[in-house]
Amino acid sequence: EMQLVESGGGLVQPGGSLRLSCAASGFSLSSYWMTWVRQAPGKGLEWVANIKQDGSLEHYVDSVKGRFTISRDNAKNSLYLHMNALRAEDTAVYYCARDMTPYEGNIYYDAFDIWGQGTMVTVSS
Amino acid sequence: AIQMTQSPSSLSASVGDRVTITCRASQGIRNELAWYQQKPGKAPKLLIYAASSLQGGVPSRFSGSGSGTDFTLTISSLQPEDFATYYCLQDYNYPRTFGQGTKLEIK
Repeated sequence: EMQLVESGGGLVQPGGSLRLSCAASGFSLSSYWMTWVRQAPGKGLEWVANIKQDGSLEHYVDSVKGRFTISRDNAKNSLYLHMNALRAEDTAVYYCARDMTPYEGNIYYDAFDIWGQGTMVTVSS
Repeated sequence: AIQMTQSPSSLSASVGDRVTITCRASQGIRNELAWYQQKPGKAPKLLIYAASSLQGGVPSRFSGSGSGTDFTLTISSLQPEDFATYYCLQDYNYPRTFGQGTKLEIK
């Protein structure tokens, strides 16, 4: 069975750091763009960051640029999100997702077909 | 960043109803849009990508259409398991942006 399992969430003080992990099983992470999406309590979904198959390209939402770093270790079949200078507004469930990147009509699309169960990050003193 | 605006924000409907949810982009995004379904306490589920391509395993009562700035998700005959929150997501440029969600409730 193909699945993603996140870990590393927890309670952290404002200004603190945390590293989230996302372990893949049943498929090779190295073949896919990977993405982090978060959801604050009672709120909608927010795209956070993504990373290319070989780790050579990353993108971030403006609110986390300079504070969060997405990375991957394809040998360990794992994705990471390094979060620094955490703020109360970073409090959310963080999901990792596989992008199957379908190619149609000369365009590569995003399509997040496998998601983890989510890990909760709470930033509070 | 491109803003995605969904309407309505919430909707009450009955089993068997035909339902349409709209997503409007603040600028043209070709057909680079996906739809996701989320149930409480669960991860989102991919329904449609490239505006109208049905993800494998998703029932054919779900369909998507649109291009440019205006998109729709249609459920042809609501089933009990369809009551959930639906989100659109543009993948035309970065940062990717979701709509605010449409909560579909039982009437």
